[in-house]
Amino acid sequence: KQEVTQIPAALSVPEGENLVLNCSFTDSAIYNLQWFRQDPGKGLTSLLLIQSSQREQTSGRLNASLDKSSGRSTLYIAASQPGDSATYLCAAQGGKLIFGQGTELSVKP
Amino acid sequence: DGGITQSPKYLFRKEGQNVTLSCEQNLNHDAMYWYRQDPGQGLRLIYYSQIVNDFQKGDIAEGYSVSREKKESFPLTVTSAQKNPTAFYLCASSIEDGRGYSGANVLTFGAGSRLTVL
Repeated sequence: KQEVTQIPAALSVPEGENLVLNCSFTDSAIYNLQWFRQDPGKGLTSLLLIQSSQREQTSGRLNASLDKSSGRSTLYIAASQPGDSATYLCAAQGGKLIFGQGTELSVKP
Repeated sequence: DGGITQSPKYLFRKEGQNVTLSCEQNLNHDAMYWYRQDPGQGLRLIYYSQIVNDFQKGDIAEGYSVSREKKESFPLTVTSAQKNPTAFYLCASSIEDGRGYSGANVLTFGAGSRLTVL
């Protein structure tokens, strides 16, 4: 059974820092790994999707990597801004899309 | 603009009542999903539908029911059999590429509906 874990549950950084969010999954037989952003009381917004054959995807200041053999994905955020404050969720897709619990990020001005 | 509309945004239910959450999309997506989100937990799949007039149970379907009479609409009914219905409910949709449950396609989410049992 696939399990997806995100550590830490919460993270607070000063503005301008580069940061890494971690996602681990137990079953490496996945189609893709997806990262989402969720603002308080809102739905999810897709950030990046990495296919199982890919190692990374980039969008602006965001870079997501995937290492299937170790069951890990990271989301790198460069030059963080207060507007990046949100909860970030990863989800591993095998037969189903399994979500992690999320990391709540706070970027302080 | 294309997107998913969920209504109502907030809903209060008395114990023993059934309530229905609306989900409408104008993205021409074949597949639609309902998730439940509780504090400190990841999203859990309630039901999903890959095509009109067909739907499948997810991981926590007990106490819920759905219908898919139109491609654009996938309403969720929370029945009185659901013992702990207070949660945030999210509807999503995606292109169905024939690989079953959302092969490699990005999900588009609605803004969510928060249900509280009084």
